[in-house]
Amino acid sequence: EVQLVESGGGLVQPGRSMKLSCAASGFTFSNYGMAWVRQAPTKGLEWVATISYDGSSTYYRDSVKGRFTISRDNAKSTLYLQMNSLRSEDTATYYCTRGPITMMVPDWFAYWGQGTLVTVSS
Amino acid sequence: DTVLTQSPALAVSPGERVTISCRASESVSTLMHWYQQKPGQQPTLLIYLASNLESGVPARFSGSGSGTDFTLTIDPVEADDTATYYCQQSWNDPFTFGSGTKLEIK
Repeated sequence: EVQLVESGGGLVQPGRSMKLSCAASGFTFSNYGMAWVRQAPTKGLEWVATISYDGSSTYYRDSVKGRFTISRDNAKSTLYLQMNSLRSEDTATYYCTRGPITMMVPDWFAYWGQGTLVTVSS
Repeated sequence: DTVLTQSPALAVSPGERVTISCRASESVSTLMHWYQQKPGQQPTLLIYLASNLESGVPARFSGSGSGTDFTLTIDPVEADDTATYYCQQSWNDPFTFGSGTKLEIK
């Protein structure tokens, strides 16, 4: 069974940093592209960043470029999102997602974790 | 960015047929996907590439469309289908989601 378990969320002050982790199990992690999708409280879904199966390619939405870094450790089956210079508008539940097809950068999101809430506030 | 427009809410009775629409501000070919999000839960994939049913999803769900106009159909609707439904396009960068259609079962 595919499992994605996020951790690392919480309350953080504006301008500070936070690192999210996503522990994957139930599949060969190194074969799949992964992505982070976020959802502000009572709002819709927003794609944040994507990483290829081997970590060689990364993609970001404009609003987080230069502030967020997606990375992965295939030996640990773990996905990360390093978030720097956080803003109030980054407040959201962050979901770890897996692509549907091996060796491809995901176009859609076949599996989702339960999410971890990040609150940016002073 | 490609804007995906969805009706905010619908209310139907069990056993009825419901269609949820998603209109894109520019063509997305058939790179449109649909998700269901029940209250307090993470989204789950229903339909990918406009019309392909994800494994394990009931055949009551179907998708159609290409270009700018897409439809998710549920027939027949069941009480458990109470949820918000989102479309998502992956033809244009960045990937974008619709604002969601909240489906209420009367």
